[in-house]
Formats: sequence, structure tokens, C-alpha cells
Amino acid sequence: DAGITQSPRHKVTETGTPVTLRCHQTENHRYMYWYRQDPGHGLRLIHYSYGVKDTDKGEVSDGYSVSRSKTEDFLLTLESATSSQTSVYFCAISGAAGGTDTQYFGPGTRLTVL
Amino acid sequence: AQSVSQHNHHVILSEAASLELGCNYSYGGTVNLFWYVQYPGQHLQLLLKYFSGDPLVKGIKGFEAEFIKSKFSFNLRKPSVQWSDTAEYFCAVVGSGGGADGLTFGKGTHLIIQP
Repeated sequence: DAGITQSPRHKVTETGTPVTLRCHQTENHRYMYWYRQDPGHGLRLIHYSYGVKDTDKGEVSDGYSVSRSKTEDFLLTLESATSSQTSVYFCAISGAAGGTDTQYFGPGTRLTVL
Repeated sequence: AQSVSQHNHHVILSEAASLELGCNYSYGGTVNLFWYVQYPGQHLQLLLKYFSGDPLVKGIKGFEAEFIKSKFSFNLRKPSVQWSDTAEYFCAVVGSGGGADGLTFGKGTHLIIQP
């Protein structure tokens, strides 16, 4: 398995509170991604990064922000969590651009917003 | 916009039965295609992928998939399933042009194998 860890693995929070999820990789891969998984929707891309301080929006980016100050860490922040952001969040990494290499996924973070 | 359609949301089979899961995609260009599997409570694992070359690709655990460009399809097959194949299966596509785009996933097929 690729060296990807996510923290926390489980979190329960209240509506309106800020939440930050962390993805850490030991593979020195340039590309990192955040997806959310919801029943009946599969996985959907939130944000991605193609290098330190280089990020872009995905399909469902509203309400989320990201930061990447080091190659190994990619942070996902919910500035003010809402119940619609209850989901399982997966980080993925890739050694080359998404179209030319496989993406490997982390173990996921289950977030519940009450 | 690209999209992926998985025709069967839930499939129930008996052990030793043959499996075929359908996947069709929509994309205005050349693509790379993937099948991922998610066992209960676990993260996604790559089953197989197609980038170019032989359209019949073999993956782990006896799975294979055939890319049919004219039909925009990438169906997953296994000749004889086992109870341990119970999982959720996702088809995914990305443009092969080298951009940093993430994958576009289908909604998944929940496969249950009965002993």
C-alpha cells in the first residue's frame, strides 16, 4: 500500500464549527487529491494539488478550502461545517498527472456534522 | 463534462457464478480507465487500469476488463466469483492528456456474493 495516512480517522462536530482534515504521504508524490464519498454518488473530487502551494477546485469545492505548504501534507478545511458535509473523505496521491498515472487512496476520514 | 455510468447498483450472485459489471463513460477525448474495489470498511484499492495497448486488461484477484472504444465501455469481468469478492466496485475515468485532473467516478456497484 502507498504511504498515505489521514487524520483524524473519525470526527463528530457541530454545525458552524471549523474542521481541518489532514492527508500525509511518504511517497514524495507531486499530485494530491481530496474526494468525498456519499451513498449513491460514488466519489467526487473536491480539490486537488499539483505542487506545493498549487491547488485547484474540483467538482464539489463549495464550502471547502485546501492548503499545501509541504509536499507531504495536503489539508482540507471546512470553514463552517454544515450537515451536508457529513461524508467520508478520501485523500489520493499520484506520482504523475492524473491522466498518466494511477491514483492511490488513503484510509479515509469519516466526518459527521450534527 | 465527463461522466461515468455504472448500470447495476446492486448485484447478488452465488459463489462460482460469472460476473460482468457494466461501465460506460462520456468524454470528449482519449481516456485512461480504472476499476477500483472497496471492501467493507476499507479504502479504495486498484483492481486494474487501461492506459493504452491491448484493450483486454488483467488485474488482481482474477479480474479482467475490456475496453471497447466504439461503445465507450470498460466492463469488468470475473469467470468465477468468491464470497470474498463481496465489495463495492467503482469504475473511473480521466482524460489522458496529462492534466492534473482528478478521476471521475461512477456511482458504484454493490456486489454481494452468497455462499
